[in-house]
Amino acid sequence: GQNIDQPTEMTATEGAIVQINCTYQTSGFNGLFWYQQHAGEAPTFLSYNVLDGLEEKGRFSSFLSRSKGYSYLLLKELQMKDSASYLCAVGNAGNMLTFGGGTRLMVKP
Amino acid sequence: DSGVTQTPKHLITATGQRVTLRCSPRSGDLSVYWYQQSLDQGLQFLIQYYNGEERAKGNILERFSAQQFPDLHSELNLSSLELGDSALYFCASSVGAYNSPLHFGNGTRLTVT
Repeated sequence: GQNIDQPTEMTATEGAIVQINCTYQTSGFNGLFWYQQHAGEAPTFLSYNVLDGLEEKGRFSSFLSRSKGYSYLLLKELQMKDSASYLCAVGNAGNMLTFGGGTRLMVKP
Repeated sequence: DSGVTQTPKHLITATGQRVTLRCSPRSGDLSVYWYQQSLDQGLQFLIQYYNGEERAKGNILERFSAQQFPDLHSELNLSSLELGDSALYFCASSVGAYNSPLHFGNGTRLTVT
């Protein structure tokens, strides 16, 4: 089976940097995704990591360490609109994409 | 707009009833996924289809079934509905069978009374 852990809630200040961690256990790792979901809306794709290292995309970066079963999403220059839930999702060899419970990020002025 | 269309947006029905949720994937996408999201819970994977065939199955109840048609649209059938089935049901699509980003529809909010 799969187990994905991420903090339930985080709070940060506008303009700051925040790191959202995700640890996972899975059989047959097949990539890790990060999604953003605003309340009551559909999740939207942010990033994908399948190899170790850092992927940078504008204000958002995602890091993966397969040996440690660990990933993080880094958000820089936080804006109020970044207040949302951030979902870590892990793919396995059985082609199933399993989502973590999500981290609710609140950005304060 | 993700390009994934789900209908209806809202559905209110009684316990014991049966409903059908519909999903049209993005143009060119061959995979369709169904997820359930209950209040304060994460996205629970139900089932995936790729080009008309079932590809992966999650914790989908026996009361639930799905299929993908030749035109690639998909339907999720929920029967003998219970109060606990009230949730947001998302459909997502992707180009490939795996390792492709999922693009989500806006969901169908099902309320069972």
